[in-house]
Amino acid sequence: GAGVSQTPSNKVTEKGKYVELRCDPISGHTALYWYRQSLGQGPEFLIYFQGTGAADDSGLPNDRFFAVRPEGSVSTLKIQRTERGDSAVYLCASSYDIMNTEAFFGQGTRLTVV
Amino acid sequence: DAKTTQPPSMDCAEGRAANLPCNHSTISGNEYVYWYRQIHSQGPQYIIHGLKNNETNEMASLIITEDRKSSTLILPHATLRDTAVYYCIVHNAGGTSYGKLTFGQGTILTVHP
Repeated sequence: GAGVSQTPSNKVTEKGKYVELRCDPISGHTALYWYRQSLGQGPEFLIYFQGTGAADDSGLPNDRFFAVRPEGSVSTLKIQRTERGDSAVYLCASSYDIMNTEAFFGQGTRLTVV
Repeated sequence: DAKTTQPPSMDCAEGRAANLPCNHSTISGNEYVYWYRQIHSQGPQYIIHGLKNNETNEMASLIITEDRKSSTLILPHATLRDTAVYYCIVHNAGGTSYGKLTFGQGTILTVHP
């Protein structure tokens, strides 16, 4: 595809449930980033990958959040035991390599926990 | 990464230049200035970045003061489609967290007909 693709675009889940958010980066991009954006705020860093490995996961808020990128392409952000405070837009971005911070962002997944 | 300060909002008439300021008085020598924008309901979009020289591309110009403590993003001929939140980010592209961009609150630019 031409850009970063995120699915689903919207997800409504009940408090306590498990959710997975998927990101398909631009083909050939080795670096992949996850951000979270609450209403009226700028995006907040969660984690980034160089290839298959998480290079910096310092932004993950707690151990309910986990992300994987097993083959160095598609990534999944996993949230266990969701809470209402997890409601936000989750943004994924990719770049050609980790030193190139011209990152290309997807449209995001809007997660609503009810 | 150094902190940035931007005005919360600005207006601009269509066809005129939009000049968006950013203060980054604690910037260090190896930190770059990046600009991204976010149009409503879309992900952020890269605009431009620079270290100390002025930069220009097809979207905008970036003017960085000689002491590097502030910068201005210039959209030379603003259109209605330029209405967005503009983020100024200071980033150490060579540091240990070089994949981590720190977004602030940004400036809401509204372009009027």
